[in-house]
Amino acid sequence: LAKTTQPISMDSYEGQEVNITCSHNNIATNDYITWYQQFPSQGPRFIIQGYKTKVTNEVASLFIPADRKSSTLSLPRVSLSDTAVYYCLVLTDKLIFGTGTRLQVFP
Amino acid sequence: NAGVTQTPKFRILKIGQSMTLQCTQDMNHNYMYWYRQDPGMGLKLIYYSVGAGITDKGEVPNGYNVSRSTTEDFPLRLELAAPSQTSVYFCASSIGLAGTYEQYFGPGTRLTVT
Repeated sequence: LAKTTQPISMDSYEGQEVNITCSHNNIATNDYITWYQQFPSQGPRFIIQGYKTKVTNEVASLFIPADRKSSTLSLPRVSLSDTAVYYCLVLTDKLIFGTGTRLQVFP
Repeated sequence: NAGVTQTPKFRILKIGQSMTLQCTQDMNHNYMYWYRQDPGMGLKLIYYSVGAGITDKGEVPNGYNVSRSTTEDFPLRLELAAPSQTSVYFCASSIGLAGTYEQYFGPGTRLTVT
């Protein structure tokens, strides 16, 4: 069963750019890559989704190389409120969220 | 739109008791899902539904049952509660299959079985 792999945790300071990479070696040809954010005691919230190359919205960018075996979520100029757990999700994994990446932003 | 609502917010059950976790969405989404999240872990899919009358198992279905009689509601039934079912339960919905379409999550139900 394919599984995504992410770093367990990352630390950053306010104002910095944060890049979180997810490995998905067995991604299917037509799978999208979706990223969610989860705050304590809340359900996950959709951040961004992409299929190839680069996608950007008002909160993040998603970079996907040509082989699609990984993807990188980029959060520009993080603030304290970006402290959360971030999950990448691909359909090939049968909607398994994995343990995600715990991002801690310091002042 | 209220989005996805779940009741109750908290519940304590004794071992062997049964209960139903309620989930309702008002977005006319075809797909609905139940996940559980243990402390410090990711979400695990219990059951999902692609429309009224159609349900299927996820990664961890044992000990649970679901039904989908309407588009809006997707209740999760726990029979013979066990301590291993202590978890936070999230319901979600999407207009199309998750992974291709955005999932909208409810606020969760925190369940303790003692």
